[in-house]
Amino acid sequence: EAQVTQNPRYLITVTGKKLTVTCSQNMNHEYMSWYRQDPGLGLRQIYYSMNVEVTDKGDVPEGYKVSRKEKRNFPLILESPSPNQTSLYFCASKGGRTNEKLFFGSGTQLSVL
Amino acid sequence: AQSVTQLDSHVSVSEGTPVLLRCNYSSSYSPSLFWYVQHPNKGLQLLLKYTSAATLVKGINGFEAEFKKSETSFHLTKPSAHMSDAAEYFCVVSEPGGYQKVTFGTGTKLQVIP
Repeated sequence: EAQVTQNPRYLITVTGKKLTVTCSQNMNHEYMSWYRQDPGLGLRQIYYSMNVEVTDKGDVPEGYKVSRKEKRNFPLILESPSPNQTSLYFCASKGGRTNEKLFFGSGTQLSVL
Repeated sequence: AQSVTQLDSHVSVSEGTPVLLRCNYSSSYSPSLFWYVQHPNKGLQLLLKYTSAATLVKGINGFEAEFKKSETSFHLTKPSAHMSDAAEYFCVVSEPGGYQKVTFGTGTKLQVIP
């Protein structure tokens, strides 16, 4: 089954404790991206990647890191989480053309205390 | 630079009446435009997309959207609302090119009153 797998679904952590949210897709998609969803703000793009070793900042990259060492994986890293990073996070992937739809993971609800 | 504006944060309709969710976009190129739906506590699902073919696009569950270049709009409509349409709807723009930035609108929550 074609899918984007995110883990974990729920995560509670404390300020400053490094964490990684994993994302993996099994569709051989070139494009992968991370979004955060906050009430009233919609989904805002954090980082995106057009292919292995090719990443670029989205609209809200501060406080986040990503890497794309393999085509299928695109982890999101918070080196020193802060409470303002409490949010619902989605990973998504799609093929290389502009008009292709995004496939979304199930989301990760992160709470930073 | 691209942007997308959803003109209403909340829309309330009675079951069986028409739905109109408004979206305006800004883009330096000929963008692809999408509508996604998110039901409560669920992920996002594609409703429909415009990719420079027909300007009237039909999607799933009876939804349609019309691309109007002169108005830079891509409004979502449905002739008759159903209770199951209650959800949040996102208009999305994606520009062509080597680095494909995808921008979401802030969302419109649709309430359907029995």
